[in-house]
Amino acid sequence: GAGVSQSPSNKVTEKGKDVELRCDPISGHTALYWYRQSLGQGLEFLIYFQGNSAPDKSGLPSDRFSAERTGGSVSTLTIQRTQQEDSAVYLCASSLVGRVGEQYFGPGTRLTVT
Amino acid sequence: KNQVEQSPQSLIILEGKNCTLQCNYTVSPFSNLRWYKQDTGRGPVSLTIMTFSENTKSNGRYTATLDADTKQSSLHITASQLSDSASYICVVSNTNFGNEKLTFGTGTRLTIIP
Repeated sequence: GAGVSQSPSNKVTEKGKDVELRCDPISGHTALYWYRQSLGQGLEFLIYFQGNSAPDKSGLPSDRFSAERTGGSVSTLTIQRTQQEDSAVYLCASSLVGRVGEQYFGPGTRLTVT
Repeated sequence: KNQVEQSPQSLIILEGKNCTLQCNYTVSPFSNLRWYKQDTGRGPVSLTIMTFSENTKSNGRYTATLDADTKQSSLHITASQLSDSASYICVVSNTNFGNEKLTFGTGTRLTIIP
C-alpha cells in the first residue's frame, strides 16, 4: 500500500525566501509528525498533529516555522525568510494511534538554503 | 536532560560477518525503545520496538536487547548482507503526563563490504 509521501524531494532556495514542504500521510493515520535531520545530528522533533486536537508546536525552532494540517490529512510545513542554518532533511511521519503508535516515515525533503 | 548515545559512530564489516551496535540512554520516565534502519536518502524504517518488560526481540537477522536497569540496548546483526548498509538509529520514548516524546540518537553508520 501507499506509504508516507513528501514533496518536493529536493529544494534549493535562496536565503530570505519562503518555502513550503508537503506531507501526505498514510490514509487513516490520525497522527502526523514533522522532524528535522541535520548532518551528523539526530532527528529533531518539530511539530505533532493528532486528530482535531491543537498541535504540539513545542519543537519549532523559531516563529519562522509553521505547519498546518488540512482536513486531518495532508500537512504543509512552511519556513519563512529561510536562513542557511535551516538547511537539513525534513522528515514527516504518521501513525495510527497517536504518539504511542508505530511511526512510518516519508523519504524526506532535502532543503538547501544558499 | 534526555539523551541517547550510540556507538560506534561508524562501522565497516565484511559481508557475512556479525556485528553489534550499542545504545545508551538517559531518558525518564521510560516508555519504549525503538531501533530504526535508515537507508541513504530514505526515511527511517522501524526494526523493533521494546517495552520495559521485554529484554530481547528479533526481526529476521536483527536482534535487539534491552537492559532497563543499566539503560542500555544493543542491536545485533547476524550474517550481514550488502543491503544492511545503512544508518541504524536508536530512539527512546518517554511518557510524561500522558504525552510521549521521542529522543533520537545520532545513529551508527554501518557499511558492509563484499
